[in-house]
Amino acid sequence: GAGVSQSPSNKVTEKGKDVELRCDPISGHTALYWYRQSLGQGLEFLIYFQGNSAPDKSGLPSDRFSAERTGGSVSTLTIQRTQQEDSAVYLCASSSLTGSSYEQYFGPGTRLTVT
Amino acid sequence: QKEVEQNSGPLSVPEGAIASLNCTYSDRGSQSFFWYRQYSGKSPELIMFIYSNGDKEDGRFTAQLNKASQYVSLLIRDSQPSDSATYLCAVTATTDSWGKLQFGAGTQVVVTP
Repeated sequence: GAGVSQSPSNKVTEKGKDVELRCDPISGHTALYWYRQSLGQGLEFLIYFQGNSAPDKSGLPSDRFSAERTGGSVSTLTIQRTQQEDSAVYLCASSSLTGSSYEQYFGPGTRLTVT
Repeated sequence: QKEVEQNSGPLSVPEGAIASLNCTYSDRGSQSFFWYRQYSGKSPELIMFIYSNGDKEDGRFTAQLNKASQYVSLLIRDSQPSDSATYLCAVTATTDSWGKLQFGAGTQVVVTP
């Protein structure tokens, strides 16, 4: 079946502009996660959605970052007033969280470059 | 202290040999453990998961879990040049949201022909 999809694959923006990154999870997966990976670094957790529960926003680095998930499926990560330190690959993952299954499957990522 | 620790490498392995990767974690309550492979410029790909103490084998990969000692390892048998990648260990966090993963920084593996 189809995996996690993300768009755009690449985004170049000027400092100070807002950007929106989109994630479409695997069909039927109730949990959706956003991570950030800077060049040569590990994965940094940003935010987590599970069903209709309030999202876990504990990893968002500043109030310029926000995310929403509409209809329990597609999610959008928004970065306002982008800064050069926001340049990274933004990864989305989804999980079914049924029974004892916690495996997360990643999308291809969006490479964000802030100039 | 990092919550999930891995040797950064690079781990150089001759083709055909066994690559052994280790990961330790600090959250004693963690229940689920994952190994991801990440090629340069690509996103992480899930290759193994293990929930119970002991060994779990899948093809050339074996994951080993010891909850008492808080470590999980990955063995890659008959290593191939295509196994050259960074391997990420991930562990569920019990202090925060259910299902949230904590990742190690990854071990780079280089398989030499």
